[in-house]
Amino acid sequence: AQSVTQPDIHITVSEGASLELRCNYSYGATPYLFWYVQSPGQGLQLLLKYFSGDTLVQGIKGFEAEFKRSQSSFNLRKPSVHWSDAAEYFCAVGTGGGNKLTFGTGTQLKVEL
Amino acid sequence: DAGVIQSPRHEVTEMGQEVTLRCKPISGHNSLFWYRQTMMRGLELLIYFNNNVPIDDSGMPEDRFSAKMPNASFSTLKIQPSEPRDSAVYFCASRPGENTEAFFGQGTRLTVV
Repeated sequence: AQSVTQPDIHITVSEGASLELRCNYSYGATPYLFWYVQSPGQGLQLLLKYFSGDTLVQGIKGFEAEFKRSQSSFNLRKPSVHWSDAAEYFCAVGTGGGNKLTFGTGTQLKVEL
Repeated sequence: DAGVIQSPRHEVTEMGQEVTLRCKPISGHNSLFWYRQTMMRGLELLIYFNNNVPIDDSGMPEDRFSAKMPNASFSTLKIQPSEPRDSAVYFCASRPGENTEAFFGQGTRLTVV
């Protein structure tokens, strides 16, 4: 069965610093990969997605992610974090017949001013 | 488009009562997901539908939970009888087809007392 691991439950960075959130997946074939962001009291909003092609994908709000097949990873990055980026971030994988969408446990990002 | 619409936004009910959560997916989307989010378990997939047909309900916690999708524009998640441990935020999401991103509603915060 497919699974998604986000090893960091909480991350704190200073505003203006760079950010990398880790995501590892377990699946036998090439998955469809997503990063979502959730602000308090809100639903999940798509940041970016990878289906095929270029392994470095650009998303909204200045985020990017890189798919590395050899490491089964899809890490999210941002060169310079803004205070408004404080939120919870979820990695997700779509796999299998019917394309079940499974989420990781999330990483809570705190931004220090 | 108004996005995925969930109702009610908040529900407080007494243990033993029946609870019905409602979801209107985005028009033209043919997949619909129900997720439950708690601090302890994160975002759990309960059930998902393709073309109104349940594809995978292995995440439904027990027989007290049931979900229906009578047509392409409406789905319900019912809990009968409700228990305090069912307290959570329940999200509905829809997507245009397989291997596309899912769009989330704002969620229903359920409190069972």
